[in-house]
Amino acid sequence: AQSVTQLDSHVSVSEGTPVLLRCNYSSSYSPSLFWYVQHPNKGLQLLLKYTSAATLVKGINGFEAEFKKSETSFHLTKPSAHMSDAAEYFCVVSDLRGSYIPTFGRGTSLIVHP
Amino acid sequence: NAGVMQNPRHLVRRRGQEARLRCSPMKGHSHVYWYRQLPEEGLKFMVYLQKENIIDESGMPKERFSAEFPKEGPSILRIQQVVRGDSAAYFCASSTAYGRATYEQYFGPGTRLTVT
Repeated sequence: AQSVTQLDSHVSVSEGTPVLLRCNYSSSYSPSLFWYVQHPNKGLQLLLKYTSAATLVKGINGFEAEFKKSETSFHLTKPSAHMSDAAEYFCVVSDLRGSYIPTFGRGTSLIVHP
Repeated sequence: NAGVMQNPRHLVRRRGQEARLRCSPMKGHSHVYWYRQLPEEGLKFMVYLQKENIIDESGMPKERFSAEFPKEGPSILRIQQVVRGDSAAYFCASSTAYGRATYEQYFGPGTRLTVT
């Protein structure tokens, strides 16, 4: 069965410093992986997705993620945090075995200090 | 192109009442998913529907919960005889197709249900 683990429930950074949100997945089949962002009292917005093409995926708002099969990881990074990046981030895995129903991680809350 | 619409945004019900949550998918999308989000948790899949068909309801409680997506009109998630534990945010998502893991979902703003 597919699963996803977000290794940090909270990450705190200063504005202008790099962001790293960690995600490990488990999948028996070639997975698709996604990162979504959720701002307070809003729905989820897709940041980026990996679908077996390039392993380094660029998304919106300067975010990118690298698919590392050997490490079963899909960490989300951004070179320089902005105050508007403060939000909840969800790593999501989807594969054939799971009937394409996405499995969500528990989320990482990104806090950005001025 | 309007995004996924959900209404109401906030719903307060007393224990034992019924809650009806509505979701209109994005134009051109015929696949709808419902999720529940409890505080400090990720989204839990409830049910996946196409027009007039329930494809997968493995995440939905067997009692009191039902969902439909009629040929015309929005998808409806119905919770009968609500209890305090039903208090959560309910999100609807839509996508263009099924059978490919690569298709991303587009989410609505959610309905926040509070049971008093």
